Amino acid sequence: AQSVTQPDIHITVSEGASLELRCNYSYGATPYLFWYVQSPGQGLQLLLKYFSGDTLVQGIKGFEAEFKRSQSSFNLRKPSVHWSDAAEYFCAVAPTGGGNKLTFGTGTQLKVEL
Amino acid sequence: DAGVIQSPRHEVTEMGQEVTLRCKPISGHDYLFWYRQTMMRGLELLIYFNNNVPIDDSGMPEDRFSAKMPNASFSTLKIQPSEPRDSAVYFCASSGGRDRGIYEQYFGPGTRLTVT
Repeated sequence: AQSVTQPDIHITVSEGASLELRCNYSYGATPYLFWYVQSPGQGLQLLLKYFSGDTLVQGIKGFEAEFKRSQSSFNLRKPSVHWSDAAEYFCAVAPTGGGNKLTFGTGTQLKVEL
Repeated sequence: DAGVIQSPRHEVTEMGQEVTLRCKPISGHDYLFWYRQTMMRGLELLIYFNNNVPIDDSGMPEDRFSAKMPNASFSTLKIQPSEPRDSAVYFCASSGGRDRGIYEQYFGPGTRLTVT
């Protein structure tokens, strides 16, 4: 069965600093990979997705993520964090062979210090 | 587009009572998902529908939970009888793409359920 691990429960960064959120997956092949963001009191919003091809993918709000097959990772990055980026971030995986279900990680809570 | 609409946003009920959560997906989307989010278990998929038909309900915790989708614009998740351990935030999501587009899900704001 596929699984996804987000090793950092909480991360605090200063506004303007760079950000990297870690995500590791376990799956027999390369799955489809996603990052979602959940702002307080809101539902989840898709930030970016990886299906195949270029391993560096760009998303909304200035975020990017890099797929590294050798490390089974899909880390989320942003060069300069804004206070409005404070939220919870979820990595998710889906099987390439169908099944139609996303498996979410446990999330990383991002706090931004002004 | 108004996005995915859920009601109520908050529900407080007593143990043993019936609870009904409602969802209106984005018009034109043919997949609908119900998720539950708790601190202990994170985000769990309960059930999903395709073209109003339940496809996979393996995540439904027990027979007290049931979900219906009588038409393309409305779905309900019912808990009867409710128990304190059902307290959680319940999300509805919809998607409308073909193939991989199913994973680009649009979430509603959620219903926070508290069972006392």
